[in-house]
Amino acid sequence: AQSVSQHNHHVILSEAASLELGCNYSYGGTVNLFWYVQYPGQHLQLLLKYFSGDPLVKGIKGFEAEFIKSKFSFNLRKPSVQWSDTAEYFCAVIGNTGGFKTIFGAGTRLFVKA
Amino acid sequence: NAGVTQTPKFQVLKTGQSMTLQCAQDMNHNSMYWYQQDPGMGLRLIYYSASEGTTDKGEVPNGYNVSRLNKREFSLRLESAAPSQTSVYFCASTHRWAGGNTGELFFGEGSRLTVL
Repeated sequence: AQSVSQHNHHVILSEAASLELGCNYSYGGTVNLFWYVQYPGQHLQLLLKYFSGDPLVKGIKGFEAEFIKSKFSFNLRKPSVQWSDTAEYFCAVIGNTGGFKTIFGAGTRLFVKA
Repeated sequence: NAGVTQTPKFQVLKTGQSMTLQCAQDMNHNSMYWYQQDPGMGLRLIYYSASEGTTDKGEVPNGYNVSRLNKREFSLRLESAAPSQTSVYFCASTHRWAGGNTGELFFGEGSRLTVL
């Protein structure tokens, strides 16, 4: 069965600090990988996605993620965070077999201090 | 640009009451999903419909039923609400291509349900 693990449940950073959020997944086949963001009181929005090709993908608002197949990881990074990045971040995986279910990690709450 | 529309946005129920959450999408997506969100638990998949005419259980289906009424609409029903079902419910849709790749999920605004 698919599963997604996010290592950090809460992260507090100061503005301009660098960010890396870990995500590992468990699935034996080909996967599509996503990072979503949820700002307070809002629904989830897509940050970036990986289907195939270059394992380093760039998303909106300066975020990027690297797919490392050998480590089953898809970590999210941003060189310099802003106060407006305060939100909850979710890693998600969908396998190309087994019902095409998108499974989410538990989320990481990021608080950026101004 | 309606996208995914959920109703109602808020609902308070008494234990044992029933209700249906409605969801409609206007993006011609073939796949639709219902998720439950609780603090610290992420989004847990309740039921999904990979295509019109099919529905399947997700991670937490007990206490719920679904209907894929047509390509646009996917409803979630609570037959006998329990306090443990107090949560925020999100409907989502996406397109799945024949080769297996599935696009990003587009979410509704959420429905906050309280069961007393």
